[in-house]
This record gives sequence, C-alpha cells and structure tokens, in this order.
Amino acid sequence: GAVVSQHPSRVICKSGTSVKIECRSLDFQATTMFWYRQFPKKSLMLMATSNEGSKATYEQGVEKDKFLINHASLTLSTLTVTSAHPEDSSFYICSAREPGYSNQPQHFGDGTRLSIL
Amino acid sequence: GESVGLHLPTLSVQEGDNSIINCAYSNSASDYFIWYKQESGKGPQFIIDIRSNMDKRQGQRVTVLLNKTVKHLSLQIAATQPGDSAVYFCAENIRGFQKLVFGTGTRLLVSP
Repeated sequence: GAVVSQHPSRVICKSGTSVKIECRSLDFQATTMFWYRQFPKKSLMLMATSNEGSKATYEQGVEKDKFLINHASLTLSTLTVTSAHPEDSSFYICSAREPGYSNQPQHFGDGTRLSIL
Repeated sequence: GESVGLHLPTLSVQEGDNSIINCAYSNSASDYFIWYKQESGKGPQFIIDIRSNMDKRQGQRVTVLLNKTVKHLSLQIAATQPGDSAVYFCAENIRGFQKLVFGTGTRLLVSP
C-alpha cells in the first residue's frame, strides 16, 4: 500500500527558530501533497496544498510567509515554520494521494509534534 | 453508550459488540467519502471509502453506509476489538476540488 513518511516525528526548540518538516511518498509519486495542523482533541485543519513544481495553495487565514512550502520533487514536500513562536506549537501532518483518478484516498504520514519553548 | 465530551463525542462499547459511528456531512456536491482511524500520536489511517454513486460498501469487519438524502455517513465495525479504540474521522471530497474536508471526529473506546 501507499506509504507516506514524515520527519522528524518530534521537535522541541526555542522561540525564534525556524523548523523544517519533510514529507515523503515512499512507493509512489505524488504531484500533490497536503499539509494539515491538528490541535489536541480536534479535527485536522488543512493549511495548504503543495503542488510539485509550482506554488503552494494556502487556505484562508494561513500565513504563507510563516509556513513556507516547497515541493521540489515528485516524492518530497517540505514545510518550514519560520521564526516559530509558542502559538505555533501543534501537531503537523502531511498527506499525499497516488496519481490517477481524482477520487482516491489521501495517505497520511505519522505527524510531527512541534513544541516551541 | 454514547456521550458528548468537551471536544470529541465518545462511543463506549464492550469487546465483541458491533459499533456504529455516525457523520453528517455538509455539502451536497461531495462525491467521495473516506473514513479514517487515528490512534494517539499518529497520523490518520485509511479504513474504507465510498463514492457518491453507491450507498453501501463492505470491507473486512467494516461497512460504510451513505445516505445522500439526509447527507449522512456511517461506519459500522463488527465484533469490535480493543485494538479498534481510536478516534474516527469521516472526510468528504467536494466535486471539483481536490482537498478533503474532515468531520469533527468520534472517539471509540472498547472495553475488554
């Protein structure tokens, strides 16, 4: 089955640090990947859609200069949280969908728990 | 029984019971629906999906029912096991858009 790997699984860092999270599709190519944020006991909130070779599409209210997305290859998308502050602490999850028909499930990585001190 | 917690509704069942988790979706233009299972500290795991031209789909121990008239989706888990304990999310794909919209989630607690 389709496997999505996310790294790192946990980051603890000081306020003002920039943090990069990687999302890889291991056994398929993904022209589109998705980045979500999840607060405790809440649902997943889509932050942005990452498109290979072009700019990401951000959801309303998500600061594109704060959350930089790069999708440089068909198997890798990165999310960089720039100058992170305690309010950016959260669980960040990426997903990817296998190419082909539009109605296919997204497959998720295991998330990155980001804690900003 | 079923109760509403502070953030997530919770369904508590005994091992071996059948579980039914419900989801109301919002958009009549949604054409594809997915159920995901999320264990603590992990990403959502695909369980089963259904297209809008169907009203029922079965997998191993799971069945999804779709009622487009009332915009309702359900997940039935047969012979529930302690390993089924997790948070379950429904997600809908709105026709013409490639992104999923997730429901609020239901926590399933299975007692041995």
